[in-house]
Amino acid sequence: AQSVTQPDIHITVSEGASLELRCNYSYGATPYLFWYVQSPGQGLQLLLKYFSGDTLVQGIKGFEAEFKRSQSSFNLRKPSVHWSDAAEYFCAVDVQRTYKYIFGTGTRLKVLA
Amino acid sequence: DSGVTQTPKHLITATGQRVTLRCSPRSGDLSVYWYQQSLDQGLQFLIQYYNGEERAKGNILERFSAQQFPDLHSELNLSSLELGDSALYFCASSPWTNDNEQFFGPGTRLTVL
Repeated sequence: AQSVTQPDIHITVSEGASLELRCNYSYGATPYLFWYVQSPGQGLQLLLKYFSGDTLVQGIKGFEAEFKRSQSSFNLRKPSVHWSDAAEYFCAVDVQRTYKYIFGTGTRLKVLA
Repeated sequence: DSGVTQTPKHLITATGQRVTLRCSPRSGDLSVYWYQQSLDQGLQFLIQYYNGEERAKGNILERFSAQQFPDLHSELNLSSLELGDSALYFCASSPWTNDNEQFFGPGTRLTVL
């Protein structure tokens, strides 16, 4: 069965430090890939998406993600974290391009001042 | 603001009861999706409608049903409620193009006592 793994449930970084959130998917072909952010009490906001082409994708709020086919990964990065980035981050895949998303379990980011 | 609205924001009810959650998609979006977010199960896709017709089903219980009306708003009906149905229910919409991006509403938090 298709699955999405976010191995880190919680991550704590200091403000100004770099960040990498991991996402691995299990599927034979290349799915559509997404990263969403959910702030406390809020809905989900799309940070970035990958469909095809350049494997390094730029998103909003200074985030980027790199698709690595050989590792079935789509890791999210930010060079310098801001306190306002504290939130929960979800990786999602649309494995059969059916618009039916499968979400990872999320990574909760805490930012230390 | 994604442009997707959901009502009510909060709903508190008792076991055995029935509730209806409402979603208005972004203007022009033909597709509506429902997701359930709970501590136990994470974010799970429930069901998708496109222009009034059911298109995909996920992990939706038989006690749950949904529909999309001619004006494209959607309702999710939850019946014979159990304590375990307490969750955040999200609606998302998309225009059904090659771009799979879904826009999420703020969610309805359901508490079953």
